[in-house]
Amino acid sequence: GAVVSQHPSRVICKSGTSVKIECRSLDFQATTMFWYRQFPKKSLMLMATSNEGSKATYEQGVEKDKFLINHASLTLSTLTVTSAHPEDSSFYICSAPGQSTDTQYFGPGTRLTVL
Amino acid sequence: GENVEQHPSTLSVQEGDSAVIKCTYSDSASNYFPWYKQELGKGPQLIIDIRSNVGEKKDQRIAVTLNKTAKHFSLHITETQPEDSAVYFCAASDTGNQFYFGTGTSLTVIP
Repeated sequence: GAVVSQHPSRVICKSGTSVKIECRSLDFQATTMFWYRQFPKKSLMLMATSNEGSKATYEQGVEKDKFLINHASLTLSTLTVTSAHPEDSSFYICSAPGQSTDTQYFGPGTRLTVL
Repeated sequence: GENVEQHPSTLSVQEGDSAVIKCTYSDSASNYFPWYKQELGKGPQLIIDIRSNVGEKKDQRIAVTLNKTAKHFSLHITETQPEDSAVYFCAASDTGNQFYFGTGTSLTVIP
């Protein structure tokens, strides 16, 4: 299957700083990528849809100014958590649809801890 | 929008026994139903999927059944092994892009 990578896998930052998470499709192009947030022992919550060359589409209740998404190329989408606070601590996962299939392939996730 | 429910939330089975996880969905337009396995600290991995034009699909010890009329689909794992222990998520989609996930089932296989 297709491979999606994320970087970093873990990040610890101080409250008030910004953190950037990268999501890459390694062997295929993705005009669309998705960003999810997952709390411990909970399901995946879709945050936004990242669209290559255009603005991201955010789900209701997700602050677009806090979670900045940039999809600059067909293989890279970034999520920047701005002015992070402890309540932003979570597991962030991206995914990308496979080519010519309905399937989505998920990255390994990024564990963000805000002190 | 779509609403996906998943049961049970936790499941413990003896090694070698079968495990069954069930999901229901609400939107009759949904036509693609994947199952994902998530190990601790990792992203979900696709293990099997089924489309609405098929009633059953099998891949070695894993099978999925779909009842479109009743709007439910199930994951069956036979001859369970300790390495099957993980959290399993079902999902439903009508576009191939927007996925609606179930709440997850934590499966423990007891050696």
